[in-house]
Amino acid sequence: AQSVSQHNHHVILSEAASLELGCNYSYGGTVNLFWYVQYPGQHLQLLLKYFSGDPLVKGIKGFEAEFIKSKFSFNLRKPSVQWSDTAEYFCAVYNNNDMRFGAGTRLTVKP
Amino acid sequence: GAGVSQSPSNKVTEKGKDVELRCDPISGHTALYWYRQSLGQGLEFLIYFQGNSAPDKSGLPSDRFSAERTGGSVSTLTIQRTQQEDSAVYLCASSLVSPGYEQYFGPGTRLTVT
Repeated sequence: AQSVSQHNHHVILSEAASLELGCNYSYGGTVNLFWYVQYPGQHLQLLLKYFSGDPLVKGIKGFEAEFIKSKFSFNLRKPSVQWSDTAEYFCAVYNNNDMRFGAGTRLTVKP
Repeated sequence: GAGVSQSPSNKVTEKGKDVELRCDPISGHTALYWYRQSLGQGLEFLIYFQGNSAPDKSGLPSDRFSAERTGGSVSTLTIQRTQQEDSAVYLCASSLVSPGYEQYFGPGTRLTVT
């Protein structure tokens, strides 16, 4: 079965710092890629997704992610974080009826 | 429109008792997933339903866990003879057509086994 690795368990940043959260997956074929976010006390919700086309995808709230096929990676980025970005972020990979999530990265943004 | 709903929101049960957790997916969504979210463990896939096909049960951790989906809509996850390690948040998600599309998550059921 495929696996999804998120390298950072907990990231602490100050407001206006840049963010990059790593995500790597094990499957080498065609995949759909997702980042989900869970704000404190809220449901998991989709941040952005990649199915095909431009490997740089833009999501809500200024987030973007880049699919690098050769590196099996789909890292999440934001140039300037805000306190309201404090949340848990999950990378997910879909292939052939198999959907797998990473363990999640908790982001704390200090005001 | 209405999102995915789950009930109960919280459940405290004694070790050894059976529990049932319910999920109402978004109307028209044919794919339904159950996940378990434990502290620091991320989302663990449990089971997946797609239309009228046989469910993918490959993620169920033991034979104490089972799930059904009636009429292609409401789903129930049953845990028999609960153990303390079953304590977690159980999440349900649904998607249009297949899991390769965006999944919409419910609020979860927090299960505590004492």
